Amino acid sequence: AQTVTQSQPEMSVQEAETVTLSCTYDTSESDYYLFWYKQPPSRQMILVIRQEAYKQQNATENRFSVNFQKAAKSFSLKISDSQLGDAAMYFCAYRPNSGGSNYKLTFGKGTLLTVNP
Amino acid sequence: NAGVMQNPRHLVRRRGQEARLRCSPMKGHSHVYWYRQLPEEGLKFMVYLQKENIIDESGMPKERFSAEFPKEGPSILRIQQVVRGDSAAYFCASSRAVSYNEQFFGPGTRLTVL
Repeated sequence: AQTVTQSQPEMSVQEAETVTLSCTYDTSESDYYLFWYKQPPSRQMILVIRQEAYKQQNATENRFSVNFQKAAKSFSLKISDSQLGDAAMYFCAYRPNSGGSNYKLTFGKGTLLTVNP
Repeated sequence: NAGVMQNPRHLVRRRGQEARLRCSPMKGHSHVYWYRQLPEEGLKFMVYLQKENIIDESGMPKERFSAEFPKEGPSILRIQQVVRGDSAAYFCASSRAVSYNEQFFGPGTRLTVL
């Protein structure tokens, strides 16, 4: 079974600084997607960034970028120029791209990010 | 284009009562997924439905829980005879097709069982 591990329950960063959130996963699949979701206090789940496993280039969305290390099964999220609005719970998630369960997202337990002014 | 709608946002039930959670997918989406988030946990898959069909309910408890997605109207997650352990946030997501790699989430329903 696939598992997603986020080893940092909480992180904090100063406004305008850079922070990296860690995520590792375990799978025997070679074709899959990885995601980072943001959950602010409103609890709405917001997709931040996604990575396709067969693409070697790391995904980037404005101030958000990932470091995808397929061999190490590592998928970290870097937030540059942190803003107060980035404060939220961040979840790493995995979804296979083939097989009978290619719709099922598996989430980590989350990292609570605090942004200090 | 309205997003995924869930109602109610907050639901309080006493032990033994029934809870009915509703989810209206985004326009054009015919695939619905329900996830449960227990306190201090990530979201866990419960069930995947297409119109009038349950595709995968492997994550749903065998007893007291049921889900449907009728031809007309929203998807319903129904919990009978609720217990304190059912207290959680229940999220619905929808997608246009399984092959699309993004599921769009609703705001969730927070169920509290007294």
